[in-house]
Amino acid sequence: GEDVEQSLFLSVREGDSSVINCTYTDSSSTYLYWYKQEPGAGLQLLTYIFSNMDMKQDQRLTVLLNKKDKHLSLRIADTQTGDSAIYFCAEIVTGGFKTIFGAGTRLFVKA
Amino acid sequence: DAGVTQSPTHLIKTRGQQVTLRCSPKSGHDTVSWYQQALGQGPQFIFQYYEEEERQRGNFPDRFSGHQFPNYSSELNVNALLLGDSALYLCASSLDLYEQYFGPGTRLTVT
Repeated sequence: GEDVEQSLFLSVREGDSSVINCTYTDSSSTYLYWYKQEPGAGLQLLTYIFSNMDMKQDQRLTVLLNKKDKHLSLRIADTQTGDSAIYFCAEIVTGGFKTIFGAGTRLFVKA
Repeated sequence: DAGVTQSPTHLIKTRGQQVTLRCSPKSGHDTVSWYQQALGQGPQFIFQYYEEEERQRGNFPDRFSGHQFPNYSSELNVNALLLGDSALYLCASSLDLYEQYFGPGTRLTVT
């Protein structure tokens, strides 16, 4: 089946690292994504990882993929108040064209 | 590059009416996908257009239809509007399957 699950809320202090977690159920996922959505705005693609990779790093962002456990995480180093937003995990399943999104994790960054 | 643009920004309709939403893809992109995002939820895939054909459809009734024009722009039409159709409608464009760029969305309110 197709399902992506995320915890709903995360609160961190400015300067700390944030780790947002996601689990997915379809083992044939091809690409896994992290998107950011600020209030009243569309979605911004942050990063993505192909299913044959374990890790991807892009500046302050680190994505870890555990295929055995179907677990994806996004680590944001040195979290800033501007990182406060909703973060969506998403997947594209092999042979398909649709992107399946989780419900989103709302990140609060306290100054 | 203007990125993905959508019109209108906001729309208020009455139950039973019909609505048309418009999307212009990012320059060079040939694929357009439409998503419905209800309040507090992740985006739900409606359908994707490529080469003026619907390539894949999500779990939405036939009241939702679309079109892609030769210049790759796209329309989403919803007939016989229900209160439950109130949502943010997002358009995303891509050149390949894997990097989608989202527009700011159209906020539809059905009263």
